[in-house]
Amino acid sequence: DSGVTQTPKHLITATGQRVTLRCSPRSGDLSVYWYQQSLDQGLQFLIHYYNGEERAKGNILERFSAQQFPDLHSELNLSSLELGDSALYFCASSPVGGPYIQYFGAGTRLSVL
Amino acid sequence: GIQVEQSPPDLILQEGANSTLRCNFSDSVNNLQWFHQNPWGQLINLFYIPSGTKQNGRLSATTVATERYSLLYISSSQTTDSGVYFCAGRGGSSNTGKLIFGQGTTLQVKP
Repeated sequence: DSGVTQTPKHLITATGQRVTLRCSPRSGDLSVYWYQQSLDQGLQFLIHYYNGEERAKGNILERFSAQQFPDLHSELNLSSLELGDSALYFCASSPVGGPYIQYFGAGTRLSVL
Repeated sequence: GIQVEQSPPDLILQEGANSTLRCNFSDSVNNLQWFHQNPWGQLINLFYIPSGTKQNGRLSATTVATERYSLLYISSSQTTDSGVYFCAGRGGSSNTGKLIFGQGTTLQVKP
């Protein structure tokens, strides 16, 4: 168990809908990262938050947004869903002050039908 | 950006065999990690190995940062070793923590 909690484990929804994925980092970790794993693109970085502030953006679509709350949990919001958004979404956290090992949650498997 | 190349893409072994997986980077990297993705999709941390050699049971890893590659050794493989192995690193000049992943090596260990 990495200590990173993601909910839900599975999500099935229809095109055009909006979903929210939730992540609780390991106790004491201030950084949260979101990654998307799809069959054609592999594992790709989406966004990084540190202590509530956005630090870096990767290949994140405009239809996607994220935030990190004062209790350090993070949510990834996906809207106007398309078939191509079906993927495994991972959240990771890393400790303050290094080493900057990223610990991954079990992922949320999103299926858009 | 940094490119991460893993080889071989696929590997089939008989139980008990040894193997070496390789990860090449196009530029210097920090925070190199190896992961195992099991058949249920979970990403398990194997090693954090920015340089040098580490061992954990039947697995060991070596990173030669100056030559931009890392190796993962699996000895006496077991069926539970099956899955996809990823290496990932952060760009040396990057000021963000994002990891760049390779495409993975899919390992199948047959009984």
